[in-house]
Amino acid sequence: QKEVEQDPGPLSVPEGAIVSLNCTYSNSAFQYFMWYRQYSRKGPELLMYTYSSGNKEDGRFTAQVDKSSKYISLFIRDSQPSDSATYLCAMINDYKLSFGAGTTVTVRA
Amino acid sequence: SAVISQKPSRDICQRGTSLTIQCQVDSQVTMMFWYRQQPGQSLTLIATANQGSEATYESGFVIDKFPISRPNLTFSTLTVSNMSPEDSSIYLCSVATGADDQPQHFGDGTRLSIL
Repeated sequence: QKEVEQDPGPLSVPEGAIVSLNCTYSNSAFQYFMWYRQYSRKGPELLMYTYSSGNKEDGRFTAQVDKSSKYISLFIRDSQPSDSATYLCAMINDYKLSFGAGTTVTVRA
Repeated sequence: SAVISQKPSRDICQRGTSLTIQCQVDSQVTMMFWYRQQPGQSLTLIATANQGSEATYESGFVIDKFPISRPNLTFSTLTVSNMSPEDSSIYLCSVATGADDQPQHFGDGTRLSIL
């Protein structure tokens, strides 16, 4: 069993829809939770970063962490074609990052 | 966040040769890391580049194959030695910034193809 599970998709939504992404994990020692966005031929770009259960909002992006269920989510409101990318969840134990497989998202104009 | 530059951005190499990848950061950082992203897959940590001491390698990665240097707090190199087609991947450098040396930020990577 992988430490971090993420459905690779692909996920296709119309412009303006809400994109919902999620990951589950098995290691209760994970301390920090992140979402990265990766465009083709680019490195991962940090979108959201949190270390506690609950919600964190930044513009159109909302990250949720439920440590009791070992479940994290990312919601993208009013999605735009420019949001088309691969979204990677990542978690840290000590200083080591463990990544999910990444979900490829396409927002159709 | 820190600006991370990697060189080269891509290369095509012959089997059996070696390539050194450079990672330069625009500010001093404590922790630097090297990752591999194989085609269509997620990122796997190769090693932590330690300044002034030997790198710390993850299971499945060895110093003879992936020697790493970290001469100062802004620069590191990763060498991929005796390359084979299985080494064709994207190699990414990341740095940890902020309190508790988190979160990590990534460069754009080096796309390596082995013929």
